[in-house]
Amino acid sequence: NAGVTQTPKFQVLKTGQSMTLQCAQDMNHEYMSWYRQDPGMGLKLIYYSVGAGITDQGEVPNGYNVSRSTTEDFPLRLLSAAPSQTSVYFCASRRTSGGARSRTGELFFGEGSRLTVL
Amino acid sequence: DAKTTQPTSMDCAEGRAANLPCNHSTISGNEYVYWYRQIHSQGPQYIIHGLKNNETNEMASLIITEDRKSSTLILPHATLRDTAVYYCIVRRNSGNTPLVFGKGTRLSVIA
Repeated sequence: NAGVTQTPKFQVLKTGQSMTLQCAQDMNHEYMSWYRQDPGMGLKLIYYSVGAGITDQGEVPNGYNVSRSTTEDFPLRLLSAAPSQTSVYFCASRRTSGGARSRTGELFFGEGSRLTVL
Repeated sequence: DAKTTQPTSMDCAEGRAANLPCNHSTISGNEYVYWYRQIHSQGPQYIIHGLKNNETNEMASLIITEDRKSSTLILPHATLRDTAVYYCIVRRNSGNTPLVFGKGTRLSVIA
C-alpha cells in the first residue's frame, strides 16, 4: 500500500514550457485534490475531484488544468509555466463516504513535487 | 465554511503540554473542527477532529467550548518532533466539501 504517490519530486522548467505533475493513490479514495504551497506560506487549493469524470476549481485554478479519468489518477497540467508558479505542489486524497463520525475529512498527502520555473 | 483565527507562532518547552488555540466564532451547527500539522516541508498530517464533544486520540486532545466558537488542541507532552505548523480548519463533514487551509500556528518546541 503506497498511499499517495507524486512524480516527479523535483522539476525545473523554463517560462512558457508545459508539464504534467502526476498523482496516483492506491486507497480507492473517491476524492483527490491538488494544493500548492509557496515558500513560507500556507496551502492553497488548486483543483479537486470527487470522482472519475468530475473536477472543480479551488482557490487558485488559473494556469492549471486537471482531468480525472480513473479513480486512481489525478494529473495536474501546467499550461504555460510562469515564475509565479514556482512552488511545492501537494496531491491529497480521502474517502467521501461514511457516517457523521467517519474521517472523511482525513486527507492523505503525497510527499510533494518541488517545481522551479526560471 | 467558517473562517478560523490562530496565533502566528507559539513556543513550548519540551515535555510540557502544548495548548494551541483556534477561534471559529462563525462556525455553523453542522461544521466540524479539524486539526492538521505540517512538519518542515512534508505534506500535512491529520491529527484529530470533533463536532462538539471533546475528543482524544493517540496524538492529541481536542477541547471545544460549549458555544463551539473556539477550540484548543492539546499535545500533552510535547517533544522536539512536534515542532511544526498546526492548522485549524472548519468544514462540513460532507464527502464533497474540500479542505481549505489557513496560515496556521508555527509551534516551536524548545529543549
